[in-house]
Parts: sequence; C-alpha cells; structure tokens
Amino acid sequence: ETGVTQTPRHLVMGMTNKKSLKCEQHLGHNAMYWYKQSAKKPLELMFVYNFKEQTENNSVPSRFSPECPNSSHLFLHLHTLQPEDSALYLCASSQGMQAYEQYFGPGTRLTVT
Amino acid sequence: GQQVMQIPQYQHVQEGEDFTTYCNSSTTLSNIQWYKQRPGGHPVFLIQLVKSGEVKKQKRLTFQFGEAKKNSSLHITATQTTDVGTYFCAGTNFSYGKLTFGQGTILTVHP
Repeated sequence: ETGVTQTPRHLVMGMTNKKSLKCEQHLGHNAMYWYKQSAKKPLELMFVYNFKEQTENNSVPSRFSPECPNSSHLFLHLHTLQPEDSALYLCASSQGMQAYEQYFGPGTRLTVT
Repeated sequence: GQQVMQIPQYQHVQEGEDFTTYCNSSTTLSNIQWYKQRPGGHPVFLIQLVKSGEVKKQKRLTFQFGEAKKNSSLHITATQTTDVGTYFCAGTNFSYGKLTFGQGTILTVHP
C-alpha cells in the first residue's frame, strides 16, 4: 500500500546502544521528513530534507543524528538515548515542500530501556 | 511560531451518529490537509483544501476551509466502526511554508 518503507519496525535498545533507523521512499519524491509520535502527543516534526539538504532541525537533541545520502533514503542514527525517547518514529516523503501531501511509512516503534 | 489547534481531543460516538472535528490556526494558511491514522497504523492523507470557503466531500466525509483560511472542519455523517482512528489536520503557513500538524482527534465508534 505504501511507497515508503521503514526498518526495523520494532526496536528495543539500551541507553548506551547505538542504532539506526532506515527509511526508503519509492515515489520519486524530493522531500523527506522524520517525525516523533508519543502517546497522547501530536506529531512532532524533527528533521526535514529537501533535495538531500537539511532544511529544518526542530531543536532536536544531538543524540538524534539524521543522514540523507540521496533523495530516496533517510536515516536516523540514535545514540545514548533516554527512556523518554521511546516513541513511534515516522518517516514521510512529499513531492515538494509546500502544498504537497505527505506519504508516511509504517513507523519504527522504539523502546529505550 | 505557527500553532494549529484541534478540538475535541477525544470523541466517543454511537455507530450511526455524526462526528465533527475542528481545526484552528493562529495564522492564515495557504492550504490545509487532513489525515487519518488507524489504531496501530500510520497517518494517511485524506484531502487538501486550498481555496477560501472551499467544501469538499468524500462519501460520508465533508471537509470545509474557513473564509479567512484560519480554520477548517471535518464532518462524518452516520459514523461506522471503520471510521475509528485519529484525525489530524495540518496547515501550511503562507510565510513559513511549513506543514504543522494539529494534535489530532481520537474517534471511537461504539457498535
């Protein structure tokens, strides 16, 4: 159904671990996004990339490090996370930056122990 | 910064009843989008409104964009159990050009 895939779908990591989330879009879009969705909270925009260039960093802690090697792939590198970072991390893509609908991936459910 | 407020946060209805969620922006929007997220799923785009006063329908769903382009609503007629989920509005600000999501309305439909 979705042209945006995310791996892994579930991740449990300790606070000292280093892991990476991967997102791939097969829609030929130019913009990609990382969102955090916590229980009972709105979608929090974390990072935006347009044509591989980071255009937005919403005051995200440095323990989250994004990487966009090309317009189809987006990574989120995680290190020394805190339990409050446990959430659903959603990747999305859109054709452009304004007035374009976003297509979301299924998300990675992250638990930090 | 731009804020998009959505009410109510929760809505419980009996199957067959109508449902409405409202979205209000602190700034004038160039467009508004609506998304639905099923339980355990991810947000899925429903529709985009661009024109002042625009009304669009998708079967039992009616979407409206306010005349001042600062508010919007989604109305579902005769809800069904398949309508359960969280409905998000998301608005693009003229100046910032950034899509900002509302908090969402969680709809529960009791059979």
